[in-house]
Order: sequence, then C-alpha cells, then structure tokens
Amino acid sequence: KAGVTQTPRYLIKTRGQQVTLSCSPISGHRSVSWYQQTPGQGLQFLFEYFSETQRNKGNFPGRFSGRQFSNSRSEMNVSTLELGDSALYLCASSLRGSGYEQYFGPGTRLTVT
Amino acid sequence: QKEVEQNSGPLSVPEGAIASLNCTYSDRVSQSFFWYRQYSGKSPELIMSIYSNGDKEDGRFTAQLNKASQYVSLLIRDSQPSDSATYLCAVNIASGTYKYIFGTGTRLKVLA
Repeated sequence: KAGVTQTPRYLIKTRGQQVTLSCSPISGHRSVSWYQQTPGQGLQFLFEYFSETQRNKGNFPGRFSGRQFSNSRSEMNVSTLELGDSALYLCASSLRGSGYEQYFGPGTRLTVT
Repeated sequence: QKEVEQNSGPLSVPEGAIASLNCTYSDRVSQSFFWYRQYSGKSPELIMSIYSNGDKEDGRFTAQLNKASQYVSLLIRDSQPSDSATYLCAVNIASGTYKYIFGTGTRLKVLA
C-alpha cells in the first residue's frame, strides 16, 4: 500500500501571501489530520477531517483552514502568511480517526520570508 | 502543567543496553497512547500503540501503560545506533472533543 503523500515538499512564500498544501491519505483511510511542527512548539494539532467533515480543531487562528474531498484527499490553506508560519506541516491519515493509529506523510517545509 | 510531558534529553545509552523513555499525561480519561520515532529531517513514524494497562511488546520495543499513575513508557531492548532519534509520546485527549496531543519528544543517543 502506498503511504501518505504530501505536495509540495518545499515552499517559499512572502509574508502576506497565501498557500495551499495537499495531502493524499493511505488508500481506505477516511481521516486526515494536519499538524504544524516547529523547533520551539513541537508538533501542534491543527485540525482533523473525517469523511469530508471537520471533526476537531486545534488552537490556531482562522487564517488556517482546510477541507477534505470525497476521495479523502485533503488540502490545508493558510492565508495572509506571517513569518511565524514558517514550519514543517505534516499530514497524518488514520483508518478510524484521530483516536487511533496515525501515519504521517513526509511533510511540507514552508518558509515565509 | 503541560498535557503531555517528556524529558527532552538527550538520553545516552551504550549499544546493546535498554533505553527507557517516559511520558506523563494530565488527562485522566485519555484512552489511547502512542509512541512515534522521528529521525532528524524526517516525519514521525509510528512504533507502538497501547490502549490498556500493562505491557505490550513488539520486537525490541515494549510499551508500558499505567493509567492510575498517568504515565506511559517505552523500553527499547538491545539498543542500536540506528535507534538514535527523537521519540514522541502522543496521547488522545478525550476531554471535550477528541484530539491528539504530542509531547515535545525525548532525544535518544545510542553510543557505539
């Protein structure tokens, strides 16, 4: 089975721009969660989508949004980028949801200048 | 108090020794506990999940859960230099909506 894929792998954006990241889960997995990882804050939960519905949301501003499509692929959008948004964005897929085993993709490294 | 706490390390052990990694959590109703390994520059990789009190073994890895004391640990037997990585503890916090909380990780160094 193919693993979780994320595109693009690297991005450089300018402050104020917006960005869209994509995640394709493991085949058959309906849950996709997004995380932000920074050296200072570690891994922080952004949100989870399950069967196209947002099921959980972390403590991030409204500039961070996401969606999930009927094929379980998910996108995450960050609007009005700030320097502090520079991070590794990880997507994880799960067969049963975020209370169970999750499998991470390789991540998208976002740099905001 | 952080919801999930780990000693940041580094924890240094000689090759062949047992490495013991610990994690405490604050939410008494948490039901699911996970250990991930993350190599530098890579994404986390699931090692073990544990849901009930006691020990769970998988190869050289043993996860131990004590819900009364609110801690979960990971033992790595016969540690190898390739085990050198950051180990992340994750807890499914059940208060309110379910969410997955990660500790900040313990850096393990296995010395050859």
